Amino acid sequence: AQTVTQSQPEMSVQEAETVTLSCTYDTSESDYYLFWYKQPPSRQMILVIRQEAYKQQNATENRFSVNFQKAAKSFSLKISDSQLGDAAMYFCAYRTRTQGGSEKLVFGKGTKLTVNP
Amino acid sequence: ETGVTQSPTHLIKTRGQQVTLRCSSQSGHNTVSWYQQALGQGPQFIFQYYREEENGRGNFPPRFSGLQFPNYSSELNVNALELDDSALYLCASSLVLGPLNYGYTFGSGTRLTVV
Repeated sequence: AQTVTQSQPEMSVQEAETVTLSCTYDTSESDYYLFWYKQPPSRQMILVIRQEAYKQQNATENRFSVNFQKAAKSFSLKISDSQLGDAAMYFCAYRTRTQGGSEKLVFGKGTKLTVNP
Repeated sequence: ETGVTQSPTHLIKTRGQQVTLRCSSQSGHNTVSWYQQALGQGPQFIFQYYREEENGRGNFPPRFSGLQFPNYSSELNVNALELDDSALYLCASSLVLGPLNYGYTFGSGTRLTVV
């Protein structure tokens, strides 16, 4: 069974500094997608960044980048120049197929990020 | 383009009752998935609907059921509510064409409290 582990329940960072959130996953599949989602107090899950496993190049979206280590099954998120609006719960997720043929997301337990002014 | 809308935003029910949660998918999307997020946990997949049929289910009992309508909106029904059903229920819509999934859009969820 696929599992996603986020070992840091909480992290804090000073405004304008850089922070890295960790994620490891377990799968026997060779081709898959990984995601980082942000969940602010509004509760809506917002996609931050995604990575296709077949791509060796790490994904980047503005201030957000990932360090994808396929052999180690590690997928960390780096937030540069942290802003107050980055404060939220961050979830790492893995997309896989169900027995019925649909796809589903398997989420970690999340990391609560606090940004200090 | 409209996003995913869920109703109601909050709900309190008594153990043993039944509840129906509603989700309007994003315009252009044809698939709806439901997730349960217990306090302090990540979301857990309940099931997905495509072409008005359930085509994937997580580890949830049959008292969790759903519907998808021709306009792609969806309902989640939970019978015989238990205290452990208290959670945030998230709906996510996506456009699925053949083997391709063009990504999920989540709603803001329904907070269900069972007392």
